[in-house]
Amino acid sequence: NAGVTQTPKFQVLKTGQSMTLQCAQDMNHNSMYWYRQDPGMGLRLIYYSASEGTTDKGEVPNGYNVSRLNKREFSLRLESAAPSQTSVYFCASSEASSGRRNTEAFFGQGTRLTVV
Amino acid sequence: QKEVEQDPGPLSVPEGAIVSLNCTYSNSAFQYFMWYRQYSRKGPELLMYTYSSGNKEDGRFTAQVDKSSKYISLFIRDSQPSDSATYLCAMSYLSDYKLSFGAGTTVTVRA
Repeated sequence: NAGVTQTPKFQVLKTGQSMTLQCAQDMNHNSMYWYRQDPGMGLRLIYYSASEGTTDKGEVPNGYNVSRLNKREFSLRLESAAPSQTSVYFCASSEASSGRRNTEAFFGQGTRLTVV
Repeated sequence: QKEVEQDPGPLSVPEGAIVSLNCTYSNSAFQYFMWYRQYSRKGPELLMYTYSSGNKEDGRFTAQVDKSSKYISLFIRDSQPSDSATYLCAMSYLSDYKLSFGAGTTVTVRA
């Protein structure tokens, strides 16, 4: 009964380093999302994928890239980490599809990333 | 101006009190309204989901939507220490995959 699984849970990077955050869901959901959460800012959408093979920018995409590897997996890559990317990152998935847009989003447990 | 504004809190209430949480929004195109609950160091989980104006009740929780005023509320009756969490409002357009979130209000219920 895993739901949405994110790895790693914690990471410390040096400025300029790169890393990939992994996300997998086992609910056969069509849509997947990456959010970042900062104090006082709520959840802000970085990228989303409405279906396998498609990705779209959200509110704050700069400095990030994503890959929808298959229906289950959606990864987020930081090519050159900056201190401004210190945040908690959440992956989410939902049943949303072209025929049914507004459904519940299920979230992972988060990745706490610190860039020094 | 952010699309979704949420009362920042934090709120601290005694056990048994009614908790009132509020969000306002600027875009009348929002049609779906949600409340998520987030415990410390956990991911958000859906608490309430409403589409139309009016009230929706689920146990001790009532969600209220006033589209004419662009205002949504969540009420928690007979609050319990286990209700201590951050509450996030969220909303989306009719034909959209994305959710827009408020900043969240942290609630502490004192035993």
